[in-house]
Amino acid sequence: GEDVEQSLFLSVREGDSSVINCTYTDSSSTYLYWYKQEPGAGLQLLTYIFSNMDMKQDQRLTVLLNKKDKHLSLRIADTQTGDSAIYFCAVVTNQAGTALIFGKGTTLSVSS
Amino acid sequence: GAGVSQSPSNKVTEKGKDVELRCDPISGHTALYWYRQSLGQGLEFLIYFQGNSAPDKSGLPSDRFSAERTGGSVSTLTIQRTQQEDSAVYLCASSSLSGGGEQYFGPGTRLTVT
Repeated sequence: GEDVEQSLFLSVREGDSSVINCTYTDSSSTYLYWYKQEPGAGLQLLTYIFSNMDMKQDQRLTVLLNKKDKHLSLRIADTQTGDSAIYFCAVVTNQAGTALIFGKGTTLSVSS
Repeated sequence: GAGVSQSPSNKVTEKGKDVELRCDPISGHTALYWYRQSLGQGLEFLIYFQGNSAPDKSGLPSDRFSAERTGGSVSTLTIQRTQQEDSAVYLCASSSLSGGGEQYFGPGTRLTVT
């Protein structure tokens, strides 16, 4: 079945750029997503990219998609302490129509 | 309300008891999903409802789990004869599009089975 892999931890200093990487096995997902979960809070859709795009930029966020390598990344420019959270990569699974398969999440820690 | 709501926010139950978790999706959203988030397993898909179609139950871990959606809106996830391994945060999401779309998540119900 579909598998989504992420590194578990990333630590950066405030003001630096953060890059969170994700790899997936099923390339048929029309959309690929990044969700953010802050401590004690629910999942928040951060951004998404259509599978026919290579890059999407949204303010401080840049999503890169390499379909050949099945690799998705999220870059956060000028990382702030408020960006500290768990970031989940998600793709649509064929197994259940439109349900999402999530990676295990990358915990981003931003130090001042 | 504007977002997906879930109740209760926390539930503590004894092993062997049944529990019901409720989800109110965003008004007008035709698709509703249940996920489970637990340590070590991450986020797992459980069940998916789309309009009046039969639900996709392929993610339910055992026959102790069931869900229904009444009137195309509110959904209830029922866990019978709860076990300690059922302890997790149960998340509900809804979306307005099929084939993916943006899913909006509720705050979750934290279930603890003692």
